[in-house]
Amino acid sequence: EVQLLESGGGLVQPGESLRLSCAASGFRFSDYAMIWVRQPPGGGLEWISAITGGGGHTYYADSVKGRFTISRDNSMNTLDLEMNSLRAEDTAVYYCSKGHARSMFRGLRHDFWGQGTLVTVSS
Amino acid sequence: DIQMTQSPSSLSASVGDIVTITCRANQTIDNYLNWYQQKRGEAPKLLIYTASSLQTGVPSRFSGSGSGTDFTLTISSLQPEDFATYYCQQSYSSPRSFGQGTKLEMK
Repeated sequence: EVQLLESGGGLVQPGESLRLSCAASGFRFSDYAMIWVRQPPGGGLEWISAITGGGGHTYYADSVKGRFTISRDNSMNTLDLEMNSLRAEDTAVYYCSKGHARSMFRGLRHDFWGQGTLVTVSS
Repeated sequence: DIQMTQSPSSLSASVGDIVTITCRANQTIDNYLNWYQQKRGEAPKLLIYTASSLQTGVPSRFSGSGSGTDFTLTISSLQPEDFATYYCQQSYSSPRSFGQGTKLEMK
């Protein structure tokens, strides 16, 4: 059974940093791209970052480029999101999701999702 | 970046109704369009991929169609468990943007 468990969320002040993690199990982790998607309170879904199965290619939304860094450890089956220079508008539930294939090719779908971790940026 | 627009933003319907939700891209995305369902307090769930393919385990009352820039999600006979928010997502190019969502409520 595929399981994705996010951790690391919490309350931080504007300008601070936070590192989210996603522990994966139930599948061969290195064979699949992984994606972070966030959802502000009462809002819609926002795709923010992705990484290919081998970790060699990363992708970011403009809203987080230069501030967030996605990484993975295929030996530990973990996905991370390092978030720096946090802003109030980064407040959201952050979901870890699994792509159905190794690369970010056209047609990639998110076939499993974690339950999310809440990040609140406020002074 | 590709912008995805859903309509309507909200919709009231009754059990047994046929419901259609529309998603439009601001440039062609061929058939690279996914649909997700999200119930309150839960993570999203994949329903449809590449515009019309049904994800394993999803009831056949859900169907998708379209190509190019215009897409639809249809629920053929609404069930109580279908009241949720629905999102489209383009999988044509990064960033893989979502529509703003359509909230399906009970009339």
